[in-house]
Amino acid sequence: DVVMTQSPLSLPVTLGQPASISCRSSQSLVHSDGNAYLNWFQQRPGQSPRRLIYMVSNRDSGVPDRFSGSGSGTDFTLKISRVEAEDVGVYYCMHGTQLTFGGGTKVEIK
Amino acid sequence: EVQLLESGGGLVQPGGSLRLSCAASGFTFSSFAMSWVRQAPGKGLEWVSGISGSGGSTYYADSVKGRFTISRDNSKNTLHLHMNNLRAEDTAVYYCASNWNFQHWGQGTLVTVSS
Repeated sequence: DVVMTQSPLSLPVTLGQPASISCRSSQSLVHSDGNAYLNWFQQRPGQSPRRLIYMVSNRDSGVPDRFSGSGSGTDFTLKISRVEAEDVGVYYCMHGTQLTFGGGTKVEIK
Repeated sequence: EVQLLESGGGLVQPGGSLRLSCAASGFTFSSFAMSWVRQAPGKGLEWVSGISGSGGSTYYADSVKGRFTISRDNSKNTLHLHMNNLRAEDTAVYYCASNWNFQHWGQGTLVTVSS
């Protein structure tokens, strides 16, 4: 079974500063069609999850451009260029074909 | 606007059964696969089950295989999850989510398995 490992588990960030979350998969995410299906989700406190990024680097509609995704093969990164108060929550990566989530990274304000 | 509205959660005893429903609107329901994803209290996300747009193909996590059944009624734009032989470890908020990459999510319904 595929395992998605996120780091760090907790990420205290100063408002206006950048943040970076790592996601590593135990299996390659490159599908036979040549695409890599790696998604990122945000879950604010008390809310349902919301998809931010699909297929590694594509932002969903309405997602601020301070969020960006990158990576290839088995190593992926979600970056927030300048953290805002509304970005507090837990972030999950997901292997898009094995439907397996990472354990989550909690972003909080210092 | 896409909307997914779950219902049917509640308190059930171990070994009991429950049926969850998810009412969909704002998109062509029958064209999209759907899934159930759950989140135990204070824990992360776990995919539970998925179904193709036609309903002809269904998939389950090993943790629920043989106990849960996913189905859909495309005439009513509704997704269901039939849960049998429930265990304490099935206690969670259950979300329905659209397509295989979970583009849209509902607000969730809480299932509590306890005596």
